[in-house]
Amino acid sequence: SYVLTQPPSVSVAPGQTARITCGGNNIGSKSVHWYQQKPGQAPVLVVYDDSDRPSGIPERFSGSNSGNTATLTISRVEAGDEADYYCQVWDSSSDHPVYVFGTGTKVTVL
Amino acid sequence: QVQLQESGPGLVKPSETLSLTCAVSGYSISSGYYWGWIRQPPGKGLEWIGSIYHSGSTYYNPSLKSRVTISVDTSKNQFSLKLSSVTAADTAVYYCARVRLATTYFDYWGQGTLVTVSS
Repeated sequence: SYVLTQPPSVSVAPGQTARITCGGNNIGSKSVHWYQQKPGQAPVLVVYDDSDRPSGIPERFSGSNSGNTATLTISRVEAGDEADYYCQVWDSSSDHPVYVFGTGTKVTVL
Repeated sequence: QVQLQESGPGLVKPSETLSLTCAVSGYSISSGYYWGWIRQPPGKGLEWIGSIYHSGSTYYNPSLKSRVTISVDTSKNQFSLKLSSVTAADTAVYYCARVRLATTYFDYWGQGTLVTVSS
């Protein structure tokens, strides 16, 4: 089965840049989506198709994807960005296509 | 505005069947889109359970396929999840969500409902 690996935690000072990686075998060939989840709340889509943003998501959130690593970048980090972040792909490489989520990264704003 | 709302028992006994319903408002299920269930054990990550198209075609996570049934009721604009032979490992917050056609991401989510498996 396809595995997406994320660092458990990332710490960043306000105003700085946070980068969250998502590693997977040849992930660059897939569309990667990112979700933000705050405590007690449902996930919210923040980036889709590697680098597009849904309406209402600040431009501070951006994404890239190449080779074996996809990255979510949060620029000018704010206290309100503190949350868990998950990457997600659709893996259709086997007889049983599945939606796969990454292991999740907790972003702490110092 | 599309809204999804999960409902069902918050406590299920081991070996019994977990049953949840997701009511959709602001959009007609019969108009299209895929609809899915995702769960999250306490303190852990997200796991896709399965999805259904408005026509009723389904696809499930192979790791749960033998125990999962997802169905749709277009007359009530809702879809449902049944998970049989539950154990404590099935304790989780269960979310319903929507997948846009020709895409692979979940754009709208319900608020989630906690289901605890315990005697």
